[in-house]
This record gives sequence, C-alpha cells and structure tokens, in this order.
Amino acid sequence: NAGVTQTPKFQVLKTGQSMTLQCAQDMNHEYMSWYRQDPGMGLRLIHYSVGAGITDQGEVPNGYNVSRSTTEDFPLRLLSAAPSQTSVYFCASSYNQEEGELFFGEGSRLTVL
Amino acid sequence: GIQVEQSPPDLILQEGANSTLRCNFSDSVNNLQWFHQNPWGQLINLFYIPSGTKQNGRLSATTVATERYSLLYISSSQTTDSGVYFCAVGPSMEYGNKLVFGAGTILRVKS
Repeated sequence: NAGVTQTPKFQVLKTGQSMTLQCAQDMNHEYMSWYRQDPGMGLRLIHYSVGAGITDQGEVPNGYNVSRSTTEDFPLRLLSAAPSQTSVYFCASSYNQEEGELFFGEGSRLTVL
Repeated sequence: GIQVEQSPPDLILQEGANSTLRCNFSDSVNNLQWFHQNPWGQLINLFYIPSGTKQNGRLSATTVATERYSLLYISSSQTTDSGVYFCAVGPSMEYGNKLVFGAGTILRVKS
C-alpha cells in the first residue's frame, strides 16, 4: 500500500524557472492538500482540494497553482520560482475535509537559487 | 481562528523514561490529530482522536474536548521516539476547515 507518494524528493531550481511537484494517493481520498514547512513557521497550507475538479486556496497560495483532474493526483506547480519558495513541501490526503486521519507524503525539499 | 499551544516546547529524556506532551486549543473541535516528524523529516500520523482515549503500543492519547486539551503519553521512551510531535486541530473556518497545527514539541531521547 503506497499511501501518498511525492516526487521529486529533492530539487534545485534557479530563480524564474518553473516546475511541478507531483503527488499521488491510492487510498481513494477525497481531500488532498499541499503544505510548506519552514523553520519557525510550522506547517502552512498552500492549496487544497475536496474532490476531482475542485481546488481552493489556503494560507499562502501566491506563486503556486494546482489542479485536480483525477481523485488520485494533485500536482503543485511553481510558475516562476523565487528564493522565498525554498522550503520543504508536503502533500497530504484524508478521507474527506472534515474528518479522518491526515496522511502525509515523504516531502520534497526545494531549493531556489 | 483556532489557536493551538503545545507544551513543553523542548524535552530531553533518558531512554526508558516516560513523558506527557500537552496540546491546548482555544475553541471546540471535531478533529484532533497527533503527528510525529522523525529526524528524517517524515510526518507520521499517530492518532486521530477528537475525543476519548486511544492506545497504540507504548503511545497513548487522551482528548478532553470539553476542557479543550489533549495529552500524548510516551512510555518507556526509545531513541527512535526522537523528533517533533505536532498536534493539529480543526475545523478552522478559515481556508476550508483546515487543520491548524501547533508549533510542536521537540523530543530528544538519549541512550
């Protein structure tokens, strides 16, 4: 049982480059979300989705896009990377928005030079 | 929005000792979870416990929703218990019922 799978685990970008962080879950979860974790800032919600075709913004959405074309996949796109986006990114999913355990992927460490 | 406070912020234990971590929250919740982030950065869900008591091996958790706190007990601690323990509560009506995470308790278990 793979759970939540994120790729890549590590990435280095130059300012202005774009990239996509991939996230897939095999638990048929409705709810998927992206967090970033920064020292002293805890876990902050970037975007979330309550089902295929439905996405919405979290606390810190600027500079990121998401889409949810299938239940399984929830990619996070950085449109034009900035050094402020250097962080560890986590994808998470749960059965639905209101309840159920939240399962995290292993994280993706992104450095923007 | 909901405020979440965890205590203590930092804890050092000798292997074999017991510990209690606390999570206080400012509003009524119907979703409370405990997570362990190990030294490699992985976030593992320990308990989904909006109320009551649950046990899983050496770990147990109790949430008293009416008094707005939850406790995580670690018995006979091992070095592999080291890491950061997060409490997360919800719903927060900001940003779609999201979970609000506490700042965490850093646990170091010495052999």
